[in-house]
Amino acid sequence: AQSVSQHNHHVILSEAASLELGCNYSYGGTVNLFWYVQYPGQHLQLLLKYFSGDPLVKGIKGFEAEFIKSKFSFNLRKPSVQWSDTAEYFCAVTTYYGNNRLAFGKGNQVVVIP
Amino acid sequence: EPEVTQTPSHQVTQMGQEVILRCVPISNHLYFYWYRQILGQKVEFLVSFYNNEISEKSEIFDDQFSVERPDGSNFTLKIRSTKLEDSAMYFCASSGPSQETQYFGPGTRLLVL
Repeated sequence: AQSVSQHNHHVILSEAASLELGCNYSYGGTVNLFWYVQYPGQHLQLLLKYFSGDPLVKGIKGFEAEFIKSKFSFNLRKPSVQWSDTAEYFCAVTTYYGNNRLAFGKGNQVVVIP
Repeated sequence: EPEVTQTPSHQVTQMGQEVILRCVPISNHLYFYWYRQILGQKVEFLVSFYNNEISEKSEIFDDQFSVERPDGSNFTLKIRSTKLEDSAMYFCASSGPSQETQYFGPGTRLLVL
């Protein structure tokens, strides 16, 4: 079964700082990759996704992620964070033959200090 | 924008009791899912459902669990005899015909005492 690793579970940074969250997965076949965000008190929302094509994908709210197949990684980035980016961020993977079950990482709790 | 809804938002129950968690998926979606997140742990897949039957289930989804689509709009998860370790946040999700993206509900926080 595929597994997803996210490191640095708690991240604290100041507004305007750059953010990068790492995501590595263990499945060797074709994968679909997702980042979901959960703002305080809200439900999981899709931030961006990668299925194929350009490995650099842009999502909502200025986020982007880069798929590096050789590194089994799908890192999330934002050049300049805002206080409203305080949230928990989850990387998730489905495999081509996996019946679409999402395998989640443990999440990154990001706190942006004004 | 259409959303997945879940009721109740919180449920407290005694060990051994049955609980039913309810979900209303997005109306034109065909694929339905349940996930759970035990406090401090990863979000885990429980089951997927399509065309009125389970399409995949995880090792967590044992005989104590069942899912049903009793009518055209609701999708339910039943836990027959709850255990302490069933305490978790339960998320419902749905996806459209292409199955590309799963849209999540706000979750039901279940506490088993």
